[in-house]
Amino acid sequence: AQSVTQLDSQVPVFEEAPVELRCNYSSSVSVYLFWYVQYPNQGLQLLLKYLSGSTLVKGINGFEAEFNKSQTSFHLRKPSVHISDTAEYFCAVSDISGYNKLIFGAGTRLAVHP
Amino acid sequence: DAGVTQSPTHLIKTRGQQVTLRCSPKSGHDTVSWYQQALGQGPQFIFQYYEEEERQRGNFPDRFSGHQFPNYSSELNVNALLLGDSALYLCASSLGGAQNGYTFGSGTRLTVV
Repeated sequence: AQSVTQLDSQVPVFEEAPVELRCNYSSSVSVYLFWYVQYPNQGLQLLLKYLSGSTLVKGINGFEAEFNKSQTSFHLRKPSVHISDTAEYFCAVSDISGYNKLIFGAGTRLAVHP
Repeated sequence: DAGVTQSPTHLIKTRGQQVTLRCSPKSGHDTVSWYQQALGQGPQFIFQYYEEEERQRGNFPDRFSGHQFPNYSSELNVNALLLGDSALYLCASSLGGAQNGYTFGSGTRLTVV
């Protein structure tokens, strides 16, 4: 079984500042890793995913994440945030075999202030 | 190209009633998964349908059931509604597994009173 821990429930940051949203996972098998964003009253949008290969993954809207197998982490970063990045961010894992259901963390609320 | 379409967008039901939520997957996708997202929490996996069969199920009671039709669309049924069933229900479609990416709909907000 897998589990995901998002270490911060809320992250306030000023516009144009860098941000890091932290995600740790637990699994006894190899996993795929994902970050999704949810804007108010909307579904989930995929930001980026790690399947294999390079541990630094680049996604949409200037976001990137780094897979660290030894620390079982997959932290999300952006060098300069915008007001429009205010949203809920979810880290998720799925096993690489079987039917790949997604296991989500509880989410991190990113609030970007002017 | 339409993404995942869910209906209705909002629904209010009384405790003990039954509800049916509907999902049309993204064009070309053959797998549909349902998730429950309670307020302030991450989505929880309910079940997944492929080739009209439920092939994986999360930790949800039998009151939650589903169906997939030959055109890959899907329904989620919940019987004997409880107040705790109030949540955003999300449908996600994919072609094959997670490595190809899941596309989520905007969800159905169910309120049980």
